[in-house]
Amino acid sequence: AQSVAQPEDQVNVAEGNPLTVKCTYSVSGNPYLFWYVQYPNRGLQFLLKYITGDNLVKGSYGFEAEFNKSQTSFHLKKPSALVSDSALYFCAVRDSDRGSTLGRLYFGRGTQLTVWP
Amino acid sequence: NAGVTQTPKFQVLKTGQSMTLQCAQDMNHNSMYWYRQDPGMGLRLIYYSASEGTTDKGEVPNGYNVSRLNKREFSLRLESAAPSQTSVYFCASTLTRVEQYFGPGTRLTVT
Repeated sequence: AQSVAQPEDQVNVAEGNPLTVKCTYSVSGNPYLFWYVQYPNRGLQFLLKYITGDNLVKGSYGFEAEFNKSQTSFHLKKPSALVSDSALYFCAVRDSDRGSTLGRLYFGRGTQLTVWP
Repeated sequence: NAGVTQTPKFQVLKTGQSMTLQCAQDMNHNSMYWYRQDPGMGLRLIYYSASEGTTDKGEVPNGYNVSRLNKREFSLRLESAAPSQTSVYFCASTLTRVEQYFGPGTRLTVT
């Protein structure tokens, strides 16, 4: 069964420092992996995805994520954090099998990122 | 281009009351989804619809029903609301079954 773990409920980092938000996954086939961000009282916004190809994926707002198949991880990174990056971040996974569950995503519990000035 | 819209934004119900949450998308997407978000639980899938005329249960379907009215609209109905259904509800849609696009959410409180 597909599942996602975000081991940290909270990540705190100073503005200008690099940030990492961790995600590990379990999926039966080849994974499609996603990161979403949620600002207060808003819906989820798509940040980036890994489908195939280069293990380092670049997304919106300067974020990137590194796919590591051997460690089944897909950590979100940014070289220099901004206060405006403070939000709730969700990792999600689905099976790449076209016949499986019609594109259903499995979400982690979310990690609250706080960037302090 | 409005994307995914949801109504209402907020709702307070008494236990036992019924209501329908509306969702519409203008992106010509085939698949639509209803999730609920609870603190510390992430998003959990309630129901989904692969295409017009089809619906399937997700992870937490009990107490809910859905209707895929047409390609644009996918509604979620609570027949007899319970306090355990207090949550934030999100609708999402996708064309390619890859990334999903989310609406702004409906914050529901059941007293």
